[in-house]
Amino acid sequence: EVQLVESGGGLVQPGRSLRLSCITSGFIFGDYGLSWVRQAPGKGLEWVGFIRSKTYGGTTGYAASLDGRFILSRDDSKNIAYLQMNSLRTEDTAVYYCVRDRIPTIIEPVTFEYWGQGTLVTVSS
Amino acid sequence: QSALTQPAAVSGSPGQSITISCTGTSSDIDVYDYVSWYQQQPGKPPQLLIYDVSHRPSGVSNRFSGSKSGNTASLTISALQAEDEADYYCSSYTTTSTVVFGGGTKVTVL
Repeated sequence: EVQLVESGGGLVQPGRSLRLSCITSGFIFGDYGLSWVRQAPGKGLEWVGFIRSKTYGGTTGYAASLDGRFILSRDDSKNIAYLQMNSLRTEDTAVYYCVRDRIPTIIEPVTFEYWGQGTLVTVSS
Repeated sequence: QSALTQPAAVSGSPGQSITISCTGTSSDIDVYDYVSWYQQQPGKPPQLLIYDVSHRPSGVSNRFSGSKSGNTASLTISALQAEDEADYYCSSYTTTSTVVFGGGTKVTVL
């Protein structure tokens, strides 16, 4: 069974940093790209970024709205993906979901088949 | 990249069919068949309903169908049931190698 479990959320002050983790199981982690999607309270979904599999160099892509503040990484030896969030703003308050694409060979994020339960990040002073 | 445009709300009676539109641009829906639809029940993560415009993942009811014409994609729910009451989101891959979501549509079963 494919599982994605996010952790690391919580209350953080504006301007500070936070790192989220996505612990996975049930599939060959190294074969898949992973995205992060967030949802502000009562709002819609927003794609955050994507990290490709090592086959494609583990390269990343991000939503332009993030202004370069977020960094994705992965540890294929531990089956974990990370989202490093820097210079946090109040508008970053959201539930952050880790999502896996449908097929392993895709080089770009196109279909989010498996979602974690999400972790809430609250940015407030 | 602006969000795809969806109606805020759509409603229908049990047994009826409803259609949710998702309008994009020449940078997303118009050029790629990478349109997906997701259903989100309150307090839960989204669930994939449709991928690649019109394909259903295993386990998704055939009452859900997708289509696309030009820069507009559509999700049709036939034989509407009370359990279909939820929020629905479309998404598309874009020419800037990103993903854009629609603003979401709240479906109410009357």
